[in-house]
Amino acid sequence: GESVGLHLPTLSVQEGDNSIINCAYSNSASDYFIWYKQESGKGPQFIIDIRSNMDKRQGQRVTVLLNKTVKHLSLQIAATQPGDSAVYFCADNAGGTSYGKLTFGQGTILTVHP
Amino acid sequence: EPEVTQTPSHQVTQMGQEVILRCVPISNHLYFYWYRQILGQKVEFLVSFYNNEISEKSEIFDDQFSVERPDGSNFTLKIRSTKLEDSAMYFCASRGQIGTGELFFGEGSRLTVL
Repeated sequence: GESVGLHLPTLSVQEGDNSIINCAYSNSASDYFIWYKQESGKGPQFIIDIRSNMDKRQGQRVTVLLNKTVKHLSLQIAATQPGDSAVYFCADNAGGTSYGKLTFGQGTILTVHP
Repeated sequence: EPEVTQTPSHQVTQMGQEVILRCVPISNHLYFYWYRQILGQKVEFLVSFYNNEISEKSEIFDDQFSVERPDGSNFTLKIRSTKLEDSAMYFCASRGQIGTGELFFGEGSRLTVL
């Protein structure tokens, strides 16, 4: 079936570095994409979203890039901090019309070293 | 800050027993969800609920599963006869705005079926 997946399962960076987490999606009908962060023992936490009519969206220290040509999504975190250490999931609406029915990728573990 | 709360945090049950997982969504939210995450796997959509009825459900959400909003605050997931493969972390989420996938997740209820 259709799925959202990640290129790299783990990413280790030094504090202050910029981090880039990548995601590939397979459902060409998907038109809404989201990044979530999950800290140990907690539920996923919304970071940023982007619709398919955009290729870039910026938030506070985060930027999401969408390349629909190659079905690729990335999350850039500027000046990564130890508190950014978590599992990061991309998700999409799998071509559906609902914004709440999300298909999640497997996750990338980000470890930030002080 | 408003949050989604879930109880119990951990439940251990025998195979074949009924389990009810409880959630209190954010008070002014209208859309409610259950997701689950089997250890080491993706977060998976189970069901969405709006206006006192199921909006969408996944293949996982078979006849053994049901949801209910018995009053104005609680949102429950019932598994009628648990199986070993139901062991997972179950996340409740709610959404307040139309047109966004910003779900607010609870911290999850870990279900262990023996």
